[in-house]
Amino acid sequence: ETGVTQTPRHLVMGMTNKKSLKCEQHLGHNAMYWYKQSAKKPLELMFVYNFKEQTENNSVPSRFSPECPNSSHLFLHLHTLQPEDSALYLCASSQVPPAETGYEQYFGPGTRLTVT
Amino acid sequence: RKEVEQDPGPFNVPEGATVAFNCTYSNSASQSFFWYRQDCRKEPKLLMSVYSSGNEDGRFTAQLNRASQYISLLIRDSKLSDSATYLCVVNLYPNTGNQFYFGTGTSLTVIP
Repeated sequence: ETGVTQTPRHLVMGMTNKKSLKCEQHLGHNAMYWYKQSAKKPLELMFVYNFKEQTENNSVPSRFSPECPNSSHLFLHLHTLQPEDSALYLCASSQVPPAETGYEQYFGPGTRLTVT
Repeated sequence: RKEVEQDPGPFNVPEGATVAFNCTYSNSASQSFFWYRQDCRKEPKLLMSVYSSGNEDGRFTAQLNRASQYISLLIRDSKLSDSATYLCVVNLYPNTGNQFYFGTGTSLTVIP
């Protein structure tokens, strides 16, 4: 595997379900991010982890719960979601401080979530 | 005020045309600048980082103007495959927390 991978790629869940999204980065980075992208809207940053420590939480509802067990893995635990939570959930990673190659952020392919 | 602002377009240009996108950022402490492209229903992909001196990668040229706080992207000899949404991105690290600020994107369609 190379780059940033996400599973599952598609997920349909009911409002009472509990599910988890998984992200893994194979780039040796130490920062990982969760973003939400709704249809026709810009990316919304949800959470940031630097060196496994959560450093940003952009007023995300508690029904979204992140977990970062190590610098290569990031999870987003979902429970009692609402239909308006249907969106593309993107994971990304980068290097902090910048590496010689730069500070760019690399994205996984995303999980397309539908809440019914 | 938004951290990053872009003209959403859409830009519809014929093949072979030259097209330019501009982006403005509000925080003068911004340190890192990027252009990403995002195809429909796909993840954003890094197109190029933007350096103070400006940089070029094939048909793509990026410029940074710190005094006016804007970033530009020039695409020469447009190809059909250039059709996508182009995202302007800035980061203030280390001046503040580690966050990437994304513009809303500029939509480009290259027409045969």
